[in-house]
Amino acid sequence: GEDVEQSLFLSVREGDSSVINCTYTDSSSTYLYWYKQEPGAGLQLLTYIFSNMDMKQDQRLTVLLNKKDKHLSLRIADTQTGDSAIYFCAEIPGSGNTGKLIFGQGTTLQVKP
Amino acid sequence: DAGVIQSPRHEVTEMGQEVTLRCKPISGHNSLFWYRQTMMRGLELLIYFNNNVPIDDSGMPEDRFSAKMPNASFSTLKIQPSEPRDSAVYFCASSFQREQFFGPGTRLTVL
Repeated sequence: GEDVEQSLFLSVREGDSSVINCTYTDSSSTYLYWYKQEPGAGLQLLTYIFSNMDMKQDQRLTVLLNKKDKHLSLRIADTQTGDSAIYFCAEIPGSGNTGKLIFGQGTTLQVKP
Repeated sequence: DAGVIQSPRHEVTEMGQEVTLRCKPISGHNSLFWYRQTMMRGLELLIYFNNNVPIDDSGMPEDRFSAKMPNASFSTLKIQPSEPRDSAVYFCASSFQREQFFGPGTRLTVL
């Protein structure tokens, strides 16, 4: 079946790097996503990676994909207090034609000054 | 573009009342999704539409929930009658190809 797992909580100090991890079960997933949710707000699309890529970098964000282990990670360099939020990993299973996203339960990132 | 627009942002109602949530997707997007978020169950996909046609409504909890998309720029999610366990944040999202964008959500409280 389709399942996405994340650890629930991560605490880092301002200026450190944060690494949020995610595992998924559908080996045919074509696209994998990271969303950010701040308190009282909707989900903001941060970045996504196509399954034929190993890495994608966008400013302070680096996404690593290990397709063999079905493991996805999001690294935030120089973490700031404004990065405190819940981060959701999501996949589009199968061929990706439906656009239907399967979300993990979210990782709460706490950034201490 | 204004992004996905949802109304109302907050709704407080009494058990048994009808609730209608509204969504305006981003212009040009051809898929629309309704989600529900609670602490206990996380994010759940309720239903999604492609080109205004409902494709998968397997996440709709029960017959009290219904959704419509009469045109490409408007969708509603209706709960009739509402129950306290329907209290949640309801999100609408729209997408074109691979990027799905969320609205700010409607926080529903059923007393």
